[in-house]
Amino acid sequence: KNQVEQSPQSLIILEGKNCTLQCNYTVSPFSNLRWYKQDTGRGPVSLTIMTFSENTKSNGRYTATLDADTKQSSLHITASQLSDSASYICVVSAKYNTDKLIFGTGTRLQVFP
Amino acid sequence: GAGVSQTPSNKVTEKGKYVELRCDPISGHTALYWYRQSLGQGPEFLIYFQGTGAADDSGLPNDRFFAVRPEGSVSTLKIQRTERGDSAVYLCASSLTLTVYNEQFFGPGTRLTVL
Repeated sequence: KNQVEQSPQSLIILEGKNCTLQCNYTVSPFSNLRWYKQDTGRGPVSLTIMTFSENTKSNGRYTATLDADTKQSSLHITASQLSDSASYICVVSAKYNTDKLIFGTGTRLQVFP
Repeated sequence: GAGVSQTPSNKVTEKGKYVELRCDPISGHTALYWYRQSLGQGPEFLIYFQGTGAADDSGLPNDRFFAVRPEGSVSTLKIQRTERGDSAVYLCASSLTLTVYNEQFFGPGTRLTVL
């Protein structure tokens, strides 16, 4: 069964610190992996999209990595800000069915001053 | 508008009633998606449209759920004989083209509460 698992489930850090969120997936055959940020009460917003051949992609203070061999991805947030408090969701789609996104349950990040 | 809009933002109904949830996609986006997100979970795929037709409705949980997109733009998700288990946030997304980088833009969702 195609699944996406994320860890940790929740994380609290102090403003200015770095953190790394993890994602493992079993989706096969793999097409692409995305990280979304979802603020409370809002829809998810795309941060990065990576295909099989890409192993890192950055978007400002967000850097995503992908190891397609081990089926793992990470999202690193540098110099966290209060506005980074949100849920971060790892999303994978399978080849031949790229429109059907498979979502992880998310990591809830809280950044405190 | 600039983004995907959904109405209403909140809907409270009684068990057994019929509800309609509306999605206005980004202008020009041909693909439209519906997802359901329960508390503390990631969104789950329900159905997606390419133009006016439902290209994949395999995520609809049962025949009480139905969605239409008659003119290839606005879509309505219809739920008959609502049950308490239908309570969730219903998210709509749209995308421009069906490519591997097919970026889906999400609306703010409709929070449905079935009492």
